Amino acid sequence: LAKTTQPISMDSYEGQEVNITCSHNNIATNDYITWYQQFPSQGPRFIIQGYKTKVTNEVASLFIPADRKSSTLSLPRVSLSDTAVYYCLVGDLTNDYKLSFGAGTTVTVRA
Amino acid sequence: GAVVSQHPSWVICKSGTSVKIECRSLDFQATTMFWYRQFPKQSLMLMATSNEGSKATYEQGVEKDKFLINHASLTLSTLTVTSAHPEDSSFYICSARAELQVNEKLFFGSGTQLSVL
Repeated sequence: LAKTTQPISMDSYEGQEVNITCSHNNIATNDYITWYQQFPSQGPRFIIQGYKTKVTNEVASLFIPADRKSSTLSLPRVSLSDTAVYYCLVGDLTNDYKLSFGAGTTVTVRA
Repeated sequence: GAVVSQHPSWVICKSGTSVKIECRSLDFQATTMFWYRQFPKQSLMLMATSNEGSKATYEQGVEKDKFLINHASLTLSTLTVTSAHPEDSSFYICSARAELQVNEKLFFGSGTQLSVL
């Protein structure tokens, strides 16, 4: 399983864009990159997933450089409700999808 | 996305009793489910992988006789904490692997807060 490294915490203000970078130097060829969001006392919630280049959905964008050794989750115009822990996970979708959670990034959005 | 229902949301029990937590995939079949535990301010720690119709695979350091996992059907996995003690108090989360969708394949339950008195 590829090990991931993320910043422990990030602070932002409402309306700003938040970018969280995750390092995964040992990512394997079949590994996908998935980001989850977790609020206190709740299970993680899927945000976005990608393999390479850029992926965008209604809540976030995911940027993956050509070497795939890192990825950046971009949250546009955050609100107070985006305060949560964000996890970057790397795993092989074609196999057992056994994911290992790192420490995550605690994002705090202030008014 | 697919829905994973976890029950109960919280449970308080006396030391020495057993507690069962259920994890159900509501609109898809899950051949594989995972169980995690999470302590306050910490990340999720994988405890075991539950496969339908076969024995669970436990991570190193997790007592299989302490944490009994049963995955008797394609939509239900249960985790039983046997003879619970205060140190077993934690937030337990399940996830289910869905093979139906292209992108999102792992769905999480809402978690169960266990408090052992």
